[in-house]
Amino acid sequence: DQQVKQNSPSLSVQEGRISILNCDYTNSMFDYFLWYKKYPAEGPTFLISISSIKDKNEDGRFTVFLNKSAKHLSLHIVPSQPGDSAVYFCAASGLNNQGGKLIFGQGTELSVKP
Amino acid sequence: KAGVTQTPRYLIKTRGQQVTLSCSPISGHRSVSWYQQTPGQGLQFLFEYFSETQRNKGNFPGRFSGRQFSNSRSEMNVSTLELGDSALYLCASSQDRVLTEAFFGQGTRLTVV
Repeated sequence: DQQVKQNSPSLSVQEGRISILNCDYTNSMFDYFLWYKKYPAEGPTFLISISSIKDKNEDGRFTVFLNKSAKHLSLHIVPSQPGDSAVYFCAASGLNNQGGKLIFGQGTELSVKP
Repeated sequence: KAGVTQTPRYLIKTRGQQVTLSCSPISGHRSVSWYQQTPGQGLQFLFEYFSETQRNKGNFPGRFSGRQFSNSRSEMNVSTLELGDSALYLCASSQDRVLTEAFFGQGTRLTVV
């Protein structure tokens, strides 16, 4: 049972354009969401998070949007840079979940072409 | 501020052996969680410790175990290794009882032959 889904395994974008990575979830108890960037053979690097009391959170070139009614979140990267090429994971948890457990999507490999 | 440190980075073991992996969290972080990453299954939660107590456990067999020490450092142990245990094992630390940002180490690449 895949509670967090990233339906696009890969995405290719031109440098300078917007990258939009999508994530859907099924568990309505999730109320905290995180995005991570990962290079091969390295640990994920935290990018940005959002709680369910917000619908948008912005940090520099990265913005995360949350649509609770649709159980959907997206990560926007503007402008995209070649160094952004990596696998992006969304992850979900519950603020009331004191067990420290993150549920990850399968990841989307982003390729930003010069 | 030092990040999450995992040792060793690479490990090769034989089927049937056991292995212990170590994780030192960010200073001041009391929660340590462990994940297994494989190509087919993605990142899967193993267990999490907070103040030396296991708070949550994923769906892994009892061969996978862990512990946390009073200085928040954590170890995970896998006994009777199987070929399918070959994976990247990742440790993450976070500050509070309630999960917010979790910061990952670089992982330990375990190969079972």
